[in-house]
Amino acid sequence: KAGVTQTPRYLIKTRGQQVTLSCSPISGHRSVSWYQQTPGQGLQFLFEYFSETQRNKGNFPGRFSGRQFSNSRSEMNVSTLELGDSALYLCASSLGDRSDTQYFGPGTRLTVL
Amino acid sequence: SQKIEQNSEALNIQEGKTATLTCNYTNYSPAYLQWYRQDPGRGPVFLLLIRENEKEKRKERLKVTFDTTLKQSLFHITASQPADSATYLCALVSYSSASKIIFGSGTRLSIRP
Repeated sequence: KAGVTQTPRYLIKTRGQQVTLSCSPISGHRSVSWYQQTPGQGLQFLFEYFSETQRNKGNFPGRFSGRQFSNSRSEMNVSTLELGDSALYLCASSLGDRSDTQYFGPGTRLTVL
Repeated sequence: SQKIEQNSEALNIQEGKTATLTCNYTNYSPAYLQWYRQDPGRGPVFLLLIRENEKEKRKERLKVTFDTTLKQSLFHITASQPADSATYLCALVSYSSASKIIFGSGTRLSIRP
Protein backbone atom coordinates (compact mmCIF):
# COMPACT_ATOMS: atom_id res chain seq x y z
CA LYS A 1 0.00 0.00 0.00
CA ALA A 2 1.25 3.46 -0.81
CA GLY A 3 1.85 5.68 2.21
CA VAL A 4 0.51 9.12 2.93
CA THR A 5 1.71 11.65 0.39
CA GLN A 6 1.92 15.40 0.79
CA THR A 7 2.51 18.04 -1.83
CA PRO A 8 4.43 20.17 -2.19
CA ARG A 9 7.33 19.07 -0.01
CA TYR A 10 8.81 22.55 0.21
CA LEU A 11 7.26 25.96 -0.18
CA ILE A 12 8.47 29.52 0.20
CA LYS A 13 5.95 32.33 0.51
CA THR A 14 5.95 35.94 1.62
CA ARG A 15 3.93 37.55 4.39
CA GLY A 16 0.34 38.25 3.46
CA GLN A 17 0.12 35.53 0.82
CA GLN A 18 -1.99 32.44 1.12
CA VAL A 19 -1.03 28.83 0.66
CA THR A 20 -2.76 25.51 0.00
CA LEU A 21 -1.22 22.22 1.01
CA SER A 22 -2.43 18.83 -0.14
CA CYS A 23 -2.57 15.44 1.52
CA SER A 24 -3.47 12.08 -0.02
CA PRO A 25 -4.24 9.46 2.65
CA ILE A 26 -3.60 5.76 2.52
CA SER A 27 -6.21 4.01 0.42
CA GLY A 28 -9.21 3.11 2.54
CA HIS A 29 -8.45 5.63 5.27
CA ARG A 30 -11.29 8.06 5.92
CA SER A 31 -9.73 10.27 8.57
CA VAL A 32 -7.13 12.93 7.84
CA SER A 33 -5.57 15.06 10.55
CA TRP A 34 -3.30 18.06 10.12
CA TYR A 35 -0.51 19.16 12.44
CA GLN A 36 1.93 22.03 12.66
CA GLN A 37 5.41 21.28 13.94
CA THR A 38 7.85 23.98 15.04
CA PRO A 39 10.98 23.78 17.20
CA GLY A 40 9.43 26.01 19.84
CA GLN A 41 5.89 24.62 20.06
CA GLY A 42 6.41 21.04 19.00
CA LEU A 43 3.69 19.11 17.20
CA GLN A 44 0.32 20.85 17.47
CA PHE A 45 -3.01 19.56 16.25
CA LEU A 46 -4.77 21.73 13.69
CA PHE A 47 -7.90 19.79 12.70
CA GLU A 48 -9.25 16.42 11.71
CA TYR A 49 -11.57 15.55 8.85
CA PHE A 50 -13.63 12.40 8.61
CA SER A 51 -15.96 11.65 5.72
CA GLU A 52 -15.69 15.23 4.41
CA THR A 53 -16.66 16.75 7.78
CA GLN A 54 -14.43 18.50 10.28
CA ARG A 55 -14.60 16.30 13.36
CA ASN A 56 -12.12 18.05 15.64
CA LYS A 57 -10.33 21.37 15.73
CA GLY A 58 -7.27 22.61 17.58
CA ASN A 59 -6.58 26.08 18.89
CA PHE A 60 -5.50 27.87 15.74
CA PRO A 61 -6.87 31.12 14.28
CA GLY A 62 -9.44 31.12 11.52
CA ARG A 63 -6.70 31.81 8.95
CA PHE A 64 -6.11 28.08 9.06
CA SER A 65 -8.79 26.09 7.30
CA GLY A 66 -9.16 22.77 5.61
CA ARG A 67 -11.44 20.52 3.68
CA GLN A 68 -11.77 16.93 2.67
CA PHE A 69 -12.99 15.57 -0.61
CA SER A 70 -15.14 12.52 -1.30
CA ASN A 71 -12.02 10.46 -2.09
CA SER A 72 -10.65 11.37 1.38
CA ARG A 73 -7.93 13.60 -0.02
CA SER A 74 -7.56 16.72 2.06
CA GLU A 75 -6.32 20.24 1.60
CA MET A 76 -5.22 22.77 4.16
CA ASN A 77 -5.27 26.49 3.50
CA VAL A 78 -3.51 29.27 5.38
CA SER A 79 -4.49 32.80 4.46
CA THR A 80 -2.66 36.06 5.20
CA LEU A 81 0.58 34.28 6.05
CA GLU A 82 2.66 35.47 8.98
CA LEU A 83 6.34 34.84 9.70
CA GLY A 84 5.30 32.60 12.60
CA ASP A 85 3.51 30.26 10.22
CA SER A 86 6.88 28.93 9.07
CA ALA A 87 6.78 25.29 10.08
CA LEU A 88 6.61 21.69 9.00
CA TYR A 89 2.99 20.82 8.25
CA LEU A 90 2.19 17.16 8.66
CA CYS A 91 -0.88 15.24 7.77
CA ALA A 92 -1.79 11.84 9.12
CA SER A 93 -4.42 9.38 7.99
CA SER A 94 -6.22 6.59 9.80
CA LEU A 95 -9.22 4.34 9.34
CA GLY A 96 -11.27 6.67 11.50
CA ASP A 97 -11.66 5.23 14.96
CA ARG A 98 -9.99 7.44 17.52
CA SER A 99 -7.76 4.65 18.78
CA ASP A 100 -6.58 3.73 15.30
CA THR A 101 -2.95 4.07 14.33
CA GLN A 102 -2.19 7.33 12.57
CA TYR A 103 0.15 7.18 9.59
CA PHE A 104 2.02 10.39 8.96
CA GLY A 105 3.15 11.81 5.67
CA PRO A 106 6.62 13.32 5.13
CA GLY A 107 5.32 16.85 5.66
CA THR A 108 5.42 20.13 3.77
CA ARG A 109 8.12 22.54 4.89
CA LEU A 110 6.66 26.05 4.65
CA THR A 111 8.93 29.05 4.93
CA VAL A 112 7.37 32.51 5.18
CA LEU A 113 9.67 35.43 4.36
CA SER B 1 -4.40 24.01 31.51
CA GLN B 2 -3.64 20.62 30.01
CA LYS B 3 0.05 19.90 29.86
CA ILE B 4 2.25 17.07 28.67
CA GLU B 5 5.91 16.99 29.58
CA GLN B 6 8.62 14.72 28.32
CA ASN B 7 11.14 15.24 31.04
CA SER B 8 14.34 14.93 29.07
CA GLU B 9 14.93 17.04 26.02
CA ALA B 10 17.88 14.81 25.16
CA LEU B 11 19.15 11.48 26.40
CA ASN B 12 22.50 9.90 25.60
CA ILE B 13 23.18 6.29 26.49
CA GLN B 14 25.62 3.53 25.67
CA GLU B 15 24.70 0.88 23.12
CA GLY B 16 23.28 -2.24 24.77
CA LYS B 17 21.81 -0.38 27.75
CA THR B 18 18.11 0.20 28.36
CA ALA B 19 16.82 3.63 27.42
CA THR B 20 13.95 4.93 29.55
CA LEU B 21 11.92 7.94 28.44
CA THR B 22 9.30 9.67 30.58
CA CYS B 23 6.01 11.31 29.71
CA ASN B 24 4.06 13.15 32.43
CA TYR B 25 0.72 14.88 32.08
CA THR B 26 -1.47 17.19 34.15
CA ASN B 27 -5.10 18.30 34.01
CA TYR B 28 -5.87 15.55 31.56
CA SER B 29 -7.81 12.31 31.59
CA PRO B 30 -6.39 10.31 28.71
CA ALA B 31 -8.32 7.47 27.22
CA TYR B 32 -5.10 6.19 25.76
CA LEU B 33 -1.50 7.12 25.16
CA GLN B 34 0.69 6.61 22.11
CA TRP B 35 4.41 6.67 21.48
CA TYR B 36 5.92 7.72 18.17
CA ARG B 37 9.41 7.82 16.71
CA GLN B 38 10.48 10.72 14.49
CA ASP B 39 13.64 10.88 12.43
CA PRO B 40 14.97 14.23 11.14
CA GLY B 41 13.03 15.54 8.17
CA ARG B 42 10.38 12.84 8.38
CA GLY B 43 6.93 12.44 9.85
CA PRO B 44 6.40 10.56 13.14
CA VAL B 45 6.00 6.80 12.99
CA PHE B 46 3.60 5.07 15.38
CA LEU B 47 5.22 2.60 17.78
CA LEU B 48 2.84 1.60 20.56
CA LEU B 49 -0.56 2.43 22.02
CA ILE B 50 -1.61 1.74 25.60
CA ARG B 51 -5.11 2.24 26.97
CA GLU B 52 -6.05 3.72 30.33
CA ASN B 53 -6.97 0.33 31.75
CA GLU B 54 -3.68 -1.27 30.69
CA LYS B 55 -0.56 -1.19 32.85
CA GLU B 56 2.02 -2.41 30.37
CA LYS B 57 2.46 -3.13 26.67
CA ARG B 58 5.36 -4.77 24.89
CA LYS B 59 6.52 -5.02 21.31
CA GLU B 60 9.86 -6.67 20.59
CA ARG B 61 12.48 -4.55 22.43
CA LEU B 62 9.94 -1.86 23.35
CA LYS B 63 7.94 -1.65 26.55
CA VAL B 64 5.46 1.01 27.63
CA THR B 65 3.93 1.43 31.08
CA PHE B 66 1.01 3.65 31.97
CA ASP B 67 0.26 4.78 35.52
CA THR B 68 -2.91 6.89 35.66
CA THR B 69 -2.40 7.52 39.38
CA LEU B 70 1.05 9.04 38.85
CA LYS B 71 -0.13 10.49 35.51
CA GLN B 72 2.95 9.08 33.88
CA SER B 73 4.04 6.79 31.07
CA LEU B 74 7.48 5.24 30.75
CA PHE B 75 8.88 4.08 27.42
CA HIS B 76 11.73 1.57 27.49
CA ILE B 77 14.02 0.38 24.72
CA THR B 78 16.04 -2.62 25.83
CA ALA B 79 19.35 -3.67 24.25
CA SER B 80 19.52 -0.25 22.59
CA GLN B 81 21.25 0.14 19.24
CA PRO B 82 22.61 3.20 17.40
CA ALA B 83 19.73 2.75 14.92
CA ASP B 84 17.34 3.56 17.78
CA SER B 85 18.66 7.13 17.81
CA ALA B 86 15.73 9.43 17.03
CA THR B 87 13.24 11.75 18.70
CA TYR B 88 10.48 9.97 20.59
CA LEU B 89 7.11 11.63 21.12
CA CYS B 90 4.31 10.70 23.47
CA ALA B 91 0.75 11.65 22.60
CA LEU B 92 -2.46 11.59 24.60
CA VAL B 93 -6.05 11.31 23.46
CA SER B 94 -8.88 12.07 25.83
CA TYR B 95 -12.53 11.42 25.11
CA SER B 96 -13.34 14.37 27.35
CA SER B 97 -11.61 17.01 25.24
CA ALA B 98 -13.21 16.64 21.84
CA SER B 99 -10.90 13.73 21.24
CA LYS B 100 -8.11 15.79 19.85
CA ILE B 101 -4.63 14.39 20.27
CA ILE B 102 -1.97 16.30 22.20
CA PHE B 103 1.73 15.61 21.67
CA GLY B 104 4.62 16.06 24.05
CA SER B 105 7.64 18.03 22.89
CA GLY B 106 9.73 14.91 22.40
CA THR B 107 12.95 13.44 23.74
CA ARG B 108 15.95 13.23 21.44
CA LEU B 109 17.61 9.88 22.11
CA SER B 110 21.22 9.22 21.05
CA ILE B 111 22.73 5.78 21.36
CA ARG B 112 26.52 5.82 21.20
CA PRO B 113 28.40 2.71 20.00
